Amino acid sequence: DTAVSQTPKYLVTQMGNDKSIKCEQNLGHDTMYWYKQDSKKFLKIMFSYNNKELIINETVPNRFSPKSPDKAHLNLHINSLELGDSAVYFCATGRGNTEAFFGQGTRLTVV
Amino acid sequence: EDQVTQSPEALRLQEGESSSLNCSYTVSGLRGLFWYRQDPGKGPEFLFTLYSAGEEKEKERLKATLTKKESFLHITAPKPEDSATYLCAVLNAGNMLTFGGGTRLMVKP
Repeated sequence: DTAVSQTPKYLVTQMGNDKSIKCEQNLGHDTMYWYKQDSKKFLKIMFSYNNKELIINETVPNRFSPKSPDKAHLNLHINSLELGDSAVYFCATGRGNTEAFFGQGTRLTVV
Repeated sequence: EDQVTQSPEALRLQEGESSSLNCSYTVSGLRGLFWYRQDPGKGPEFLFTLYSAGEEKEKERLKATLTKKESFLHITAPKPEDSATYLCAVLNAGNMLTFGGGTRLMVKP
């Protein structure tokens, strides 16, 4: 069983479209994260979310929004996609001050 | 704002040539410092957690240490399969995990 799974693994879409990336975890962790890894391989946090609080990195455009239907899922919705949104997006989970576990990533390409 | 700076950005070693990677950090309420390994096309893979200054962790050829301002990842007698990007991250009191830019390690046979 994969601990943190993301779908799709690859996503190619046109500018202006709206898309979602799904993330599911079976670890029972109470915190989930979304990260963006750009072409320079720098991992930048976008959101930190547990069932009580959403912390948003203020540099993230409001076209990006996390949606959590339940504790095991944190999906990423992106509206009006732009070329600069092309990157690899990683979902991760954590509990307390223990290590975070990462999904395999979703490579988003906006054309 | 929390900051994590890793050096060098890239490191080329010969097989068997030991070295160290540096991670300098400033964080509001350190809850933990983490080292990860990332291979191309994959997500970061957890290596170590360090919680307090003076703490050390070891795993095979890797040893991580922590002071109040920085952490080191020591690689002893590396092998080509140790080639990867090594990432350092800090978890703050607000549960935000911030990563450094990584060190790309290449070990030549």
